[in-house]
Amino acid sequence: AQKITQTQPGMFVQEKEAVTLDCTYDTSDPSYGLFWYKQPSSGEMIFLIYQGSYDQQNATEGRYSLNFQKARKSANLVISASQLGDSAMYFCAMREAPKIRGSQGNLIFGKGTKLSVKP
Amino acid sequence: DARVTQTPRDKVTEMGQEVTMRCQPILGHNTVFWYRQTMMQGLELLAYFRNRAPLDDSGMPKDRFSAEMPDATLATLKIQPSEPRDSAVYFCASGLDRPGTGGTGELFFGEGSRLTVL
Repeated sequence: AQKITQTQPGMFVQEKEAVTLDCTYDTSDPSYGLFWYKQPSSGEMIFLIYQGSYDQQNATEGRYSLNFQKARKSANLVISASQLGDSAMYFCAMREAPKIRGSQGNLIFGKGTKLSVKP
Repeated sequence: DARVTQTPRDKVTEMGQEVTMRCQPILGHNTVFWYRQTMMQGLELLAYFRNRAPLDDSGMPKDRFSAEMPDATLATLKIQPSEPRDSAVYFCASGLDRPGTGGTGELFFGEGSRLTVL
């Protein structure tokens, strides 16, 4: 069963507009972490934002914010004021329960959403 | 500017040849991950090390793949013999595992090694 689901293979957004990239997750652990990474065409993976399962407020980092709805198990990424440089693949990831006590466990990635920003 | 360094960036080889990919994690990080990225499967975990000890290599085909950390500054992923289905981008990532501190446990990725097996 997929643990991280990104239902939008591709998205288009007009420059300067906001866009929401969807992510749902599946876990029975009470403690987990959710991440978003950006992968531009050059290939590197760039960390954007993190949300802990116990965090009371939605995470924000500049133009990025994470719409965390715990009951729905969703962690959507919102990019405000889109820029041409935001065109990239975006991956949602979850840190699952560690297999070794005391460690932090592995990151599981979704399939990604390709965002294209139109001028 | 600390970063994860991977070599080679690009590798083209013939089926049956041995391939070794190397990774230098960020100094001070104690976890190293190897991921493989393909169009069909996305990002898949191959191996995970903590303090140089392998914690999880369940995603790695054991008959042909091996991963090691000979020291804290070097992680290797070896494929022998390579097959066309191994063609992918292989990412190394490192992080600082600080249980109990509430740290985000963010992973820093290298630029990847693109492998093509003919």
